[in-house]
Amino acid sequence: ETGVTQSPTHLIKTRGQQVTLRCSSQSGHNTVSWYQQALGQGPQFIFQYYREEENGRGNFPPRFSGLQFPNYSSELNVNALELDDSALYLCASSLSGTLISYEQYFGPGTRLTVT
Amino acid sequence: SQKIEQNSEALNIQEGKTATLTCNYTNYSPAYLQWYRQDPGRGPVFLLLIRENEKEKRKERLKVTFDTTLKQSLFHITASQPADSATYLCALGTGGFKTIFGAGTRLFVKA
Repeated sequence: ETGVTQSPTHLIKTRGQQVTLRCSSQSGHNTVSWYQQALGQGPQFIFQYYREEENGRGNFPPRFSGLQFPNYSSELNVNALELDDSALYLCASSLSGTLISYEQYFGPGTRLTVT
Repeated sequence: SQKIEQNSEALNIQEGKTATLTCNYTNYSPAYLQWYRQDPGRGPVFLLLIRENEKEKRKERLKVTFDTTLKQSLFHITASQPADSATYLCALGTGGFKTIFGAGTRLFVKA
């Protein structure tokens, strides 16, 4: 176990609705990255947060947004859900700054189904 | 365009043999490359990281090579066990915020 937790485990939403997914980082880690993983594919980078600021973004529309809190936990918000948003959403914590480490520690993921 | 390719076909090997998985990339200049293991319905687990100036890295039964000329990494599991059965993902990083993952290769180790 990595110490990274995500909630909820599973979620079913209807097209057009909004969803918030949550992640608690591993102790001592200050950076959180979010990924979307479709079935049979590798994780696709959504964005990264460092010191409560978005540090970089992948090729995802603005309806995907996030937050990082002072305790380094994080949220992923998706508005106007589409059927193609159905996927496993993963958060990964890592350490940035002076003691940067590129190793990422993933949570178990949230399985989102949009109907 | 940038691309990472891992063998999409599953790899089936006999217990005790060495499994070798391949990761090829184009139009990237990665600062490092990582390998992760992923079991069904779970998040990836970090295994090894190798930097662009390193040729080989080992950890217990695992070995990774990195050839920046061929734009290829090989991942070896020696003395494979049924418990090694999983999907293995390679991931490239350029030293910034973004990590790019391949689609992964499924490994089945038969007893």
